Amino acid sequence: AQSVTQPDIHITVSEGASLELRCNYSYGATPYLFWYVQSPGQGLQLLLKYFSGDTLVQGIKGFEAEFKRSQSSFNLRKPSVHWSDAAEYFCAVGDHFNKFYFGSGTKLNVKP
Amino acid sequence: SAVISQKPSRDICQRGTSLTIQCQVDSQVTMMFWYRQQPGQSLTLIATANQGSEATYESGFVIDKFPISRPNLTFSTLTVSNMSPEDSSIYLCSVEEQTNTGELFFGEGSRLTVL
Repeated sequence: AQSVTQPDIHITVSEGASLELRCNYSYGATPYLFWYVQSPGQGLQLLLKYFSGDTLVQGIKGFEAEFKRSQSSFNLRKPSVHWSDAAEYFCAVGDHFNKFYFGSGTKLNVKP
Repeated sequence: SAVISQKPSRDICQRGTSLTIQCQVDSQVTMMFWYRQQPGQSLTLIATANQGSEATYESGFVIDKFPISRPNLTFSTLTVSNMSPEDSSIYLCSVEEQTNTGELFFGEGSRLTVL
């Protein structure tokens, strides 16, 4: 069965520091992979997605993620975090039947 | 990108009552999805709603508890029936604006508290 694991529930980084949020998935075929961000009181917004091709994908707001098949991972990175990046981040797997499975989320806190 | 409006944005309900959540999209979409986000947890798919057919429910969710309507390509409703405190959650409507792009657009959610 499909599943997504985000091992870090909370992460705190200082503004300007680099960020990496971990995501591991379980899926029988090549998955569609996504990262969404949810700001307080708002819906989810897509940051980036991977379908095929280049395993390093660029997204909005300066985020990128790398698909590593051997590790079943799709970690999200940002070289320099801004205070406005404080939010909850969800990794998701999409199967080939329009169903999406979300991880439990990682709450990012940014210290000034 | 699709703009999704949900009503109500939040409500406090009494045990045993039912509440209907509305989802309006500003464009025609084939597939609409209803998710539940329980406190401190991730999103769980309740059902997929396609216009002109009955909704498809995920394991653990049944039509009697979560009846869904999809009368046209821009609108859907989810009813949470006979509510209990365990139904306190955020309910999110989402759409895939273009089929098989994998990009879901989400409404801001409806936060229900059941007393």
